[in-house]
This record gives sequence, C-alpha cells and structure tokens, in this order.
Amino acid sequence: GAGVSQSPSNKVTEKGKDVELRCDPISGHTALYWYRQRLGQGLEFLIYFQGNSAPDKSGLPSDRFSAERTGESVSTLTIQRTQQEDSAVYLCASTPRRAGSTDTQYFGPGTRLTVL
Amino acid sequence: KNEVEQSPQNLTAQEGEFITINCSYSVGISALHWLQQHPGGGIVSLFMLSSGKKKHGRLIATINIQEKHSSLHITASHPRDSAVYICAVSLRSNYQLIWGAGTKLIIKP
Repeated sequence: GAGVSQSPSNKVTEKGKDVELRCDPISGHTALYWYRQRLGQGLEFLIYFQGNSAPDKSGLPSDRFSAERTGESVSTLTIQRTQQEDSAVYLCASTPRRAGSTDTQYFGPGTRLTVL
Repeated sequence: KNEVEQSPQNLTAQEGEFITINCSYSVGISALHWLQQHPGGGIVSLFMLSSGKKKHGRLIATINIQEKHSSLHITASHPRDSAVYICAVSLRSNYQLIWGAGTKLIIKP
C-alpha cells in the first residue's frame, strides 16, 4: 500500500518568500506529525495533529510557521517570509491511532528546503 | 542534560563485527523507538518497544524500563548497515517524541 508522501521533494526559494509543503499521510492514520532536521542536527518536533482535535503547535519555532490539516487527510506546512535558517529537511510522519499509543511512526521521504 | 542520550556518537567497525548502540532516557515514557536514517535522508522505523526484547533479522532491540535504558544490537554487521541510528521516546504525559542525537555507524568492508 501507499506510504506517507510529501511534496515537493526539493524546494529552493529566495529569502523572504513564502513556501508551502504538503504531506499526504497513510489513509486511516489519525495522527500526523511535522518535524524538521537541519543539516548535521537531530530531528526537531514542530507540530502534531490528532483527528479533529486542536493541534499542538508548541514546537513551531516562530509565528512565521503555520500548519493545517483537514480532518484526517492532507496537511500543509506554511513558512512565511523564509529565512536562511529555515533551510532544512521537513519530515512528516503518521500513525494509525492517537498519540500516546505505542504505534510506530511512518515517515515520508521529506522535503528538502533551501533558502538562498 | 538531554532527556535522551545516545552512545556512542560515532562508531566505525569492520564487517562482521557485533554492534551495540545504547540509549538512556530520564523521563517517563510509553514507548521507545529505534529508527535508521540513511545518507540520503530517508528514515525507517526499526523497532518500537515498551518492554522486553524484539528481533528482526540481524537487528535486536532491548529495553530495561527500570534502568531507563535501551540497546540496539546488530549481528554480523555489513557495510549496508552504515547509517545514523536514532533513539526516540514517546512521553507518557503527552504525545511528543523526544529524539536522541543519533549514532553514526560506519561498517567497513
């Protein structure tokens, strides 16, 4: 079956532009996570969606970052007025059930964002 | 102090060697994950543990809840095992994952 997909796979943008990243979770997965991995660093939690509940945005680094998810489907991560420090691989993951369960996370291939 | 500590940070070994990567954590968890990240960046979940031991092929993962420690073992290591291995824990109190810094493993032929 299809796994988690993300688009675009690569995005190069100029400083100050807005970008939108997309994640399609595995069908039926209720929980969706966004992470960021800067070059040479570990994964950094950004935001978490669980069904129709209010998302946990506590990991978003600034108000330039926002994310949306409609129900249990596609999610978009938007970065406004991009800065060079936003350059990273943005990873999306989904799990079948609510967080706190012991489900393994299924990761997408990531979007590599480069801000010039 | 980081809530999830991995050791070693870097490990280089010869093909065929038995590999052990360690993970210690200081928080209450509901589960511990071992993940593998290849140089191309793709991440694969290897194991999710809440107790005991799991085995998949040449990979073995163990966890000791009382000692707050987990190990990932690779038997008969092979150059294709070269990757970054990441330990992450699911907090008992909420849904976040806390990640270790990773262990970069290089297996030489």
